Amino acid sequence: GENVEQHPSTLSVQEGDSAVIKCTYSDSASNYFPWYKQELGKRPQLIIDIRSNVGEKKDQRIAVTLNKTAKHFSLHITETQPEDSAVYFCAARAAGTSYGKLTFGQGTILTVHP
Amino acid sequence: GAGVSQTPSNKVTEKGKYVELRCDPISGHTALYWYRQSLGQGPEFLIYFQGTGAADDSGLPNDRFFAVRPEGSVSTLKIQRTERGDSAVYLCASSLDRTGIYEQYFGPGTRLTVT
Repeated sequence: GENVEQHPSTLSVQEGDSAVIKCTYSDSASNYFPWYKQELGKRPQLIIDIRSNVGEKKDQRIAVTLNKTAKHFSLHITETQPEDSAVYFCAARAAGTSYGKLTFGQGTILTVHP
Repeated sequence: GAGVSQTPSNKVTEKGKYVELRCDPISGHTALYWYRQSLGQGPEFLIYFQGTGAADDSGLPNDRFFAVRPEGSVSTLKIQRTERGDSAVYLCASSLDRTGIYEQYFGPGTRLTVT
């Protein structure tokens, strides 16, 4: 089955700096890659996603890039703010399952210092 | 509109007891998923429903776990003879049942503690 590795496990930045979180996946047939933000005690919230036919996607201060050849994708947050502090999870959905399960990475704890 | 809701928000039970966890998906979402999240980990897939039927139950850890969705909307996750290792947050998610639309939206979870 699919295996998703995420790093770093913790990331500490100063307000205004950029943050990058990277994930690798094992199943070359995976075709959908969402990122979720989870604040302490709250539900995971979808913040951005990318499909396998696209190399990059941006939404204001966040962007995701996908390298299918290397089987990795990354989340980029620019001009970080203290409210960006949370746990971020990447995930991958394998093709061939119509509306199927997501396999998640282990999470990155992002701390943005004012 | 209303998001995915789950009840109860917290459940404390004794080892060996039976528990039921409920999920109300977003209206119109016919796909429903259950995940389990242990402390410091990412969500781990348990089971997925398309309509009333379980399309993929490969993540259920053993036969103590069972889930139903009799009318294609609300789902109940049932755990028999609970063990301390079952303690976790149980998350439910739903999505539109359309080709090419894969976004899953999560509920707030039920925190299960087995003492």
